[in-house]
Amino acid sequence: SQTIHQWPATLVQPVGSPLSLECTVEGTSNPNLYWYRQAAGRGLQLLFYSVGIGQISSEVPQNLSASRPQDRQFILSSKKLLLSDSGFYLCAWSEAYEQYFGPGTRLTVT
Amino acid sequence: AQTVTQSQPEMSVQEAETVTLSCTYDTSESDYYLFWYKQPPSRQMILVIRQEAYKQQNATENRFSVNFQKAAKSFSLKISDSQLGDAAMYFCAYRRNNDMRFGAGTRLTVKP
Repeated sequence: SQTIHQWPATLVQPVGSPLSLECTVEGTSNPNLYWYRQAAGRGLQLLFYSVGIGQISSEVPQNLSASRPQDRQFILSSKKLLLSDSGFYLCAWSEAYEQYFGPGTRLTVT
Repeated sequence: AQTVTQSQPEMSVQEAETVTLSCTYDTSESDYYLFWYKQPPSRQMILVIRQEAYKQQNATENRFSVNFQKAAKSFSLKISDSQLGDAAMYFCAYRRNNDMRFGAGTRLTVKP
């Protein structure tokens, strides 16, 4: 069966520091991968998606970037974090019509 | 742009009763998918039910069913025989290809 991992689970970073969140999927090949952000008490906002290695589509221009160095690995990065980058970050993969979500990373920028 | 609206920020239901959560969406497309996701306090997003827009028959998954009104662009979720474990945030979502949009969510409380 397919499994999706995200780490770290929680992260506290100062403003201006770099960021790297990692997502990996097991049990499937060439999945579509997604990064979402959920602000407190809000719905999910799609940030990036990838249909293959090295292929990244950005939905919202901002302080973040994404990369897909391997088929089942998706990384969310920032060179310098802003206070507004705080939130809950979710990685997801899709097969056919449905998306399946990882456990998420809670990021607090101080 | 496609938008998804959940007009009920909070709802409550008595255990064993039925509750309906509302969702409307805006799209000019005819082929798309609609979903309801549940997010309990653990914040893990769990797929509850899926509806294909080309299907007229409403989807059903055990105690969960939807009322899909394509012309009205309405997609409500009915939870029957509510259980304490149903308490969570519920998100309505629209998907066409890789474009997936979520509503702001409805917080469901289940009273014992």
